[in-house]
Amino acid sequence: RKEVEQDPGPFNVPEGATVAFNCTYSNSASQSFFWYRQDCRKEPKLLMSVYSSGNEDGRFTAQLNRASQYISLLIRDSKLSDSATYLCVVGGFKTIFGAGTRLFVKA
Amino acid sequence: GAVVSQHPSRVICKSGTSVKIECRSLDFQATTMFWYRQFPKQSLMLMATSNEGSKATYEQGVEKDKFLINHASLTLSTLTVTSAHPEDSSFYICSARLAVTQYFGPGTRLLVL
Repeated sequence: RKEVEQDPGPFNVPEGATVAFNCTYSNSASQSFFWYRQDCRKEPKLLMSVYSSGNEDGRFTAQLNRASQYISLLIRDSKLSDSATYLCVVGGFKTIFGAGTRLFVKA
Repeated sequence: GAVVSQHPSRVICKSGTSVKIECRSLDFQATTMFWYRQFPKQSLMLMATSNEGSKATYEQGVEKDKFLINHASLTLSTLTVTSAHPEDSSFYICSARLAVTQYFGPGTRLLVL
């Protein structure tokens, strides 16, 4: 089993749609959680940290369920510019990156 | 947010030559930096963890004599790809850790002919 697993994707959605990404992690001792975004041929960029209480940043909402070792990212009102690969990242002794989920938002 | 720079952004070299890539944290000090490699349409692969003032920790399967890492100061880590071969062509990305968050450099595209 991979240490961090994500939906394989790709997700193809129309503009304005709501899309949800899921991620599970295997190490219960993990302490920090993030979503990164990576555009084609670019470096990953921090999208948001994920807190146990859940957190929201504009159209983006992240949730963490420590008991289930599950992280989610919800994107509302998708824009064309949201098209990218979304990486689930779990930190602890080591930082582990998920393989990423590709999102394509179509006009 | 924290800024990490990487230089060069792109390099083309002949097989057998060595290439040095620099990673700098511009507005913070980083005792730990990371080096990743990413092949087209594949996920990031951690190559090594660079620790200021001590030896780097390499991931399994990464040759430490081929990928030399030096972290001589709190703001600079270098990766040298020695005797580069075409199969070393890839996107090399560094990151620096500030508290628990990693910030990435813009990456270096290496093409070995």
